[in-house]
Amino acid sequence: NAGVTQTPKFQVLKTGQSMTLQCAQDMNHNSMYWYRQDPGMGLRLIYYSASEGTTDKGEVPNGYNVSRLNKREFSLRLESAAPSQTSVYFCASRTSGSNTDTQYFGPGTRLTVL
Amino acid sequence: TQLLEQSPQFLSIQEGENLTVYCNSSSVFSSLQWYRQEPGEGPVLLVTVVTGGEVKKLKRLTFQFGDARKDSSLHITAAQPGDTGLYLCAGAASNYQLIWGAGTKLIIKP
Repeated sequence: NAGVTQTPKFQVLKTGQSMTLQCAQDMNHNSMYWYRQDPGMGLRLIYYSASEGTTDKGEVPNGYNVSRLNKREFSLRLESAAPSQTSVYFCASRTSGSNTDTQYFGPGTRLTVL
Repeated sequence: TQLLEQSPQFLSIQEGENLTVYCNSSSVFSSLQWYRQEPGEGPVLLVTVVTGGEVKKLKRLTFQFGDARKDSSLHITAAQPGDTGLYLCAGAASNYQLIWGAGTKLIIKP
């Protein structure tokens, strides 16, 4: 039982390049999330998927797209990376949409855009 | 816009001391969670509080939810180096979404 896994762990991009961050969970959770974490700003929600087949924007969706490929996998795509997207990206999942449920986080992807 | 402010932002103390960190808002939250994050890892849930005035204890950690459900505190008794980390509070906003504080970075020196 690996929990939530993310790939890659580190990535350096040049401005304008594209990439996809991968996330998978093996806990049979319905809801999945993508956050970014910047110093002094806490976690900010980019997109979430309440259940397989649905996705919704969070607080900071501009410049990103997501795909809920199946119940296990939720990917985040940067179509044209910008330096402002330099951050640590976390994927999370939880059983349902209840905010009293535990969110389980992956180890993060550290992205630098030059 | 709902905001959660955490204080202090940074705290460095000696092993054995007591400390309290705070999570404050002008908004009411239906529930609030505390997470701890260690360097290079994702946050891990410590506790969820739901009822105003609720107090929960986790070994040397005591969590309290304010009566009006607008604030929360985390008290650590006899801090140990293993308590070092970033402590984050998160309040329940709309369905599926949490509002996160910026965190308190805690260092416990041996």
